[in-house]
Amino acid sequence: AQSVTQPDIHITVSEGASLELRCNYSYGATPYLFWYVQSPGQGLQLLLKYFSGDTLVQGIKGFEAEFKRSQSSFNLRKPSVHWSDAAEYFCAVVLTGGGNKLTFGTGTQLKVEL
Amino acid sequence: EPEVTQTPSHQVTQMGQEVILRCVPISNHLYFYWYRQILGQKVEFLVSFYNNEISEKSEIFDDQFSVERPDGSNFTLKIRSTKLEDSAMYFCASSGAGANQPQHFGDGTRLSIL
Repeated sequence: AQSVTQPDIHITVSEGASLELRCNYSYGATPYLFWYVQSPGQGLQLLLKYFSGDTLVQGIKGFEAEFKRSQSSFNLRKPSVHWSDAAEYFCAVVLTGGGNKLTFGTGTQLKVEL
Repeated sequence: EPEVTQTPSHQVTQMGQEVILRCVPISNHLYFYWYRQILGQKVEFLVSFYNNEISEKSEIFDDQFSVERPDGSNFTLKIRSTKLEDSAMYFCASSGAGANQPQHFGDGTRLSIL
């Protein structure tokens, strides 16, 4: 079945440590790929997106993500986490040629320990 | 930076009542969307709207739901006869033309059905 999977429901890291949030998709063709962040009581803020070209994309707040076609993955990374990064992170896709709707993963809740 | 605004931030309604959620998309955007997030669950697509008509809708978007762009700036979601299971956070989003255009989200309306 077509889906977006975020295997980690919760992740806890220490401030200053590196971070990697996993995202896998299961679609016949490569979709457009996005990462959004949701802070408590807030809406969804776009961190970065991948459409084509360079498989390593840079986003806001020091985040980056790498698209790996062979693994159907689009993992989000940050070299050094700040306490303010504590939030919920959503991977999302738009199917190419399938309208504009975003299909979201279940999200990963990030906790940062000081 | 332009943003999507939603009102009210919280709406409490008796079951069976009609509710209208309001959104002001980013002014030069052409596509408008509604998503919902039931507490503890992932964000789900409801409907997309382009050129004054629905371009796509999900199974959730049944006859109880409708959308309207009553003037040049507002985009509304109406639920005709609310049910307990309609309790959720409702997000409005807007984007430029094309599936690769990122969707910008509002902060959401928390709808509580009593």
